[in-house]
Amino acid sequence: RKEVEQDPGPFNVPEGATVAFNCTYSNSASQSFFWYRQDCRKEPKLLMSVYSSGNEDGRFTAQLNRASQYISLLIRDSKLSDSATYLCVVNVAVPTGNQFYFGTGTSLTVIP
Amino acid sequence: EPEVTQTPSHQVTQMGQEVILRCVPISNHLYFYWYRQILGQKVEFLVSFYNNEISEKSEIFDDQFSVERPDGSNFTLKIRSTKLEDSAMYFCASSEPSGLSSYEQYFGPGTRLTVT
Repeated sequence: RKEVEQDPGPFNVPEGATVAFNCTYSNSASQSFFWYRQDCRKEPKLLMSVYSSGNEDGRFTAQLNRASQYISLLIRDSKLSDSATYLCVVNVAVPTGNQFYFGTGTSLTVIP
Repeated sequence: EPEVTQTPSHQVTQMGQEVILRCVPISNHLYFYWYRQILGQKVEFLVSFYNNEISEKSEIFDDQFSVERPDGSNFTLKIRSTKLEDSAMYFCASSEPSGLSSYEQYFGPGTRLTVT
């Protein structure tokens, strides 16, 4: 079973649309959660951490549901520059430290 | 804005050769990481490093791999005898010492390793 699963998409949405991505994780020892974006052939860039109470940063809202083991990302008023692959990342505590698991990513294209 | 840097941007090597990939993490960060991403696939965790020792490693990080912090600024990944399947983009990342942001990782631009 994969540690982190995401719908690969692609999501093609018009400018101004609202789009939501979901991500599920399998390990209940997961303790920290993040959304990164990755442009083609570039490094992942931190978009936001996901806190238990949910958090918002401008047009982006992240939610965490520990009971159902899923994380969501909502993008409002999509811009052309939001086109990228969005990666769900989970940190799992293991006896010797921490391991980080990336989802395969969800591809978003915002269309003019 | 401080950033993680990596050299070289592209490394071509023959199978069986040793390669060293170099990273300079953000200066006040204390946790360092290596990841790889095979073309078209997901980012995979290799190893984390703290206080001059490996704190965690994945199954991918076998005896062919090693990491070192040879001085106060560089963090290196060595692959002793490269295989064709080691061809990938290798990302270095670093994160802050503590607090809520201690697992927020900042990635370098990557080194594309091509093994022929």
